[in-house]
Amino acid sequence: AQKITQTQPGMFVQEKEAVTLDCTYDTSDPSYGLFWYKQPSSGEMIFLIYQGSYDQQNATEGRYSLNFQKARKSANLVISASQLGDSAMYFCAMRDLGGSQGNLIFGKGTKLSVKP
Amino acid sequence: NAGVTQTPKFRILKIGQSMTLQCTQDMNHNYMYWYRQDPGMGLKLIYYSVGAGITDKGEVPNGYNVSRSTTEDFPLRLELAAPSQTSVYFCASTRRGTYEQYFGPGTRLTVT
Repeated sequence: AQKITQTQPGMFVQEKEAVTLDCTYDTSDPSYGLFWYKQPSSGEMIFLIYQGSYDQQNATEGRYSLNFQKARKSANLVISASQLGDSAMYFCAMRDLGGSQGNLIFGKGTKLSVKP
Repeated sequence: NAGVTQTPKFRILKIGQSMTLQCTQDMNHNYMYWYRQDPGMGLKLIYYSVGAGITDKGEVPNGYNVSRSTTEDFPLRLELAAPSQTSVYFCASTRRGTYEQYFGPGTRLTVT
C-alpha cells in the first residue's frame, strides 16, 4: 500500500532563510507522482509543485524546489528565501499514475512558521 | 472561471440529521473525489468517481453516499450524522492523463 510520511510536525524558519520540509514515501508502483500542497490558515489547498517518478531532473517552481531522491524514496520540499506569507501547513502527497483511481495519498503535514 | 465550487462553506448538524454537500466543477473533468480532513491530519479519500454513473469507495466511506449523474456534479450525502463526521470536506477533480488535482474551498462540518 502507498504511504506518505512527514516526520516534522512543526518547523520554524527565519524570514529570508531557506527551509527544507521532509517527506518520505512508500509504494510498489513504478509510475507515480509526488506533490506538495500548501494550506494556509484560511483552509484552501494550494498546489505548489509536482515530480513524476520518471522525471530526470528535480522539479522547480519559483522559490519552491523538490529534492527528489528515488533510491531513498524521499521528496523533500525546499523553500528558498522564506517569506512571512509562507507560514502555513504543508502536505506531501502521492498518486499512482498507472492505476484507475487517481486519488492522492496525503501525509499528516508540517506546520511551518516563518519568524520576522 | 469558477473551477471547483462547494456549498455550503459551513454547517452545524445535530446527531442523526442528514445533509448533502454539493460539489460542482466546470472544467469537464472526468475524475472527481471527496476527501475529509480531520484536525491536525492530512486528507483521506471518502469516495471517488471516474465518470458520470461510476462511483467507488475510498479509504473511509462508512456513513456517506455519493452519486454522479452528470460530469459536473458530485454530491456527498451524509445519513444519520455522527460526531465522528465532524471534519472539513474537500471536493477535487482532475482530468485523466493529467496530474494536478483541483480542490474546492472546503466545507467545514460540525456534528453536535
